[in-house]
Amino acid sequence: QVQLVQSGTEVKKPGDSVKISCKASGYTFKIFDIYWVRQAPGQGLEWMGWMNPNTGSTGYAQKFQGRASMTRDKSLNTAYLEVSGLKSDDTAVYYCARGESPSSPYDYWGQGTLVTVSS
Amino acid sequence: ELVMTQSPATLSVSPGERATLSCRASQSVNDKVAWYQVRPGQAPRLLLYGVSIRATGIPDRFSGRGSGTEFTLTISSLQSEDFAVYYCHHYTNWPQVFGQGTRVEIK
Repeated sequence: QVQLVQSGTEVKKPGDSVKISCKASGYTFKIFDIYWVRQAPGQGLEWMGWMNPNTGSTGYAQKFQGRASMTRDKSLNTAYLEVSGLKSDDTAVYYCARGESPSSPYDYWGQGTLVTVSS
Repeated sequence: ELVMTQSPATLSVSPGERATLSCRASQSVNDKVAWYQVRPGQAPRLLLYGVSIRATGIPDRFSGRGSGTEFTLTISSLQSEDFAVYYCHHYTNWPQVFGQGTRVEIK
């Protein structure tokens, strides 16, 4: 069955970086785009960006341009999200999700990774 | 930039009753509108896409309709497991955008 399994909880200090992994199984990793979405405490879903695992092409919401980086390791069927210059308002649950194409809904989601940024 | 506005922010409904959630786009959009359910402590779950197509395994008490700028999600008879937060999502605009969510709570 299709699964996206994310890495565990992270606690970081302001200014740190965090790198979250999203390991895909049960399907051909390179065929489906990977999206990253976050949810801050008590807030809604916030779209962060997109990656094509086959080509490595990426696109980011303007808010995250220059501060987020989406990469992948095709040999491990794993996508990564790295966010640098963390601030307290980056405290959130970060989700990866897959979509068949840039014009597809997200049919499977990872379980989420809680990142807490606190001094 | 496209904005998806959901209303109401919170909907109080008794079990067995109907719930209707709205999502308004700031400009006319195509039919690439999806709805997700988020239960506490769980990942989002795709309910509907293409405005009205139910995702795999979604019961038929969930339905969607709309076009242009107005979209709705209807839950015909609320079950206990339906009390959650619901988000609309337009998935072709760039950047992609979610509504801010509607919480469906037990009345």
